[in-house]
Amino acid sequence: EVHVVESGGGLARPGGSLRLSCAVSGLIFRDAWMSWVRRAPGKGLEWVGRIKKGGTADYPAPVEGRFSISRDDSKNIIYLQLNNLKAEDTAVYYCTHIAWSASRRGPAGFDTWGQGTLVTVSS
Amino acid sequence: DIQMTQSPSSLSASVGDRVTITCRASQDIRNGLNWYQQKPGKAPKVLIYDASNLEIGVPERFSGSGSGTDFTFTISSLQPEDIATYYCHQYDNLPYTFGQGTKLEIK
Repeated sequence: EVHVVESGGGLARPGGSLRLSCAVSGLIFRDAWMSWVRRAPGKGLEWVGRIKKGGTADYPAPVEGRFSISRDDSKNIIYLQLNNLKAEDTAVYYCTHIAWSASRRGPAGFDTWGQGTLVTVSS
Repeated sequence: DIQMTQSPSSLSASVGDRVTITCRASQDIRNGLNWYQQKPGKAPKVLIYDASNLEIGVPERFSGSGSGTDFTFTISSLQPEDIATYYCHQYDNLPYTFGQGTKLEIK
């Protein structure tokens, strides 16, 4: 069974930085595609990026250039670096495992989620 | 970006009722859609993957259908433990996008 545990959330100032970590177990980590999703207070779910096997990452426009995802395959950990933080980045950040769809022969949705870590951006 | 229009945004139903939520994609996403359940203070949980496949361990009262642009999520007989917010999510194209969510309450 796959387990995902996030850490590193907390209070940051506008313009500041924070690094979140996600420890993963229960699978062959170096082959895993992983993603980050957030939920701001009172709002819905929003995708903030993914990292493929091998380390290539993709981001949506609202965070591209400010957020970056990396991985350490020797430690089974992925990281989300949050830079130039804004008040609207306040959210619970979830680390997720991207499933593989045999029928679609490609990456699919998120089959495992961590419990999340809260990031608050405030002066 | 693909817009996912989910409706209704909230729903009140009685125990035993059949409940239906719909999601419409702004362009063809084939069957690249999941449905998630999120209870307060908890992480989302996948219920349906590839539009119509029941995730292992999920009760059979949950089902999904559709392909292309129109999708439906159904609870055949609502139970008290189904109180949650439900989201659709498309993964056919980047950026991944979600519906706005449906908050389900018991009458």
